Amino acid sequence: QVQLVESGGGVVQPGRSLRLSCAASGFTFRSYGIHWVRQAPGKGLEWVATIWYDGSNKYYADSVKGRFTVSRDNSKNTIYLHMNNLRAEDTAVYYCARPQGLRIYYYALDVWGQGTTVTVSS
Amino acid sequence: SYDLTQPLSVSVALGQTARITCRGTNIGNKNVHWYQRKPGQAPVMVISRDTNRPSGIPERFSGSNSGNTATLTLSGAQAGDEADYYCQVYDSNTVVFGGGTKLTVL
Repeated sequence: QVQLVESGGGVVQPGRSLRLSCAASGFTFRSYGIHWVRQAPGKGLEWVATIWYDGSNKYYADSVKGRFTVSRDNSKNTIYLHMNNLRAEDTAVYYCARPQGLRIYYYALDVWGQGTTVTVSS
Repeated sequence: SYDLTQPLSVSVALGQTARITCRGTNIGNKNVHWYQRKPGQAPVMVISRDTNRPSGIPERFSGSNSGNTATLTLSGAQAGDEADYYCQVYDSNTVVFGGGTKLTVL
């Protein structure tokens, strides 16, 4: 069964850090790029970051550039999102999502995790 | 940056046809994907690459894309179709989502 499972969310104070994980199973993980997407309360979907299948390229939304870092460990079938200097506006449900095919900027996102909630509050 | 504009809300009578638009500059030159999101659930892809309906998605979902407008059409809307719908494209190594449309089935 093709699956993505996020973990690591929680309540954190502004300015602190958090690391999210996205564990993959049921497909050849090392062949796929992965996107992180978030949804803040009452808002729409917002792209956060992308990492290529081999980790060679990473891209970030302007809202998180310089604060968030995406990485992957293909030996553990896991993607990480390291979030530093968190702000109240980072409060959201965070999803990792996989494209249907190997062309990361062509296919739709057909596999999503269930999401993990990050709350930034003092 | 590339922008996608969707109506905030669309209402449709039970069994009638709903159309949700997604506007962007020359969007007809891009592949548009559509997602359905219900409260408390992860998004679900309902249309990929403008017109492709994945297995498991009812035939009443269809898509089109031309010029500056892509459209998701629900023919014969059902109560279970009430949800938020998002269009999505790729642009310059980024993932771009529309603001989302809340579909209400009356």
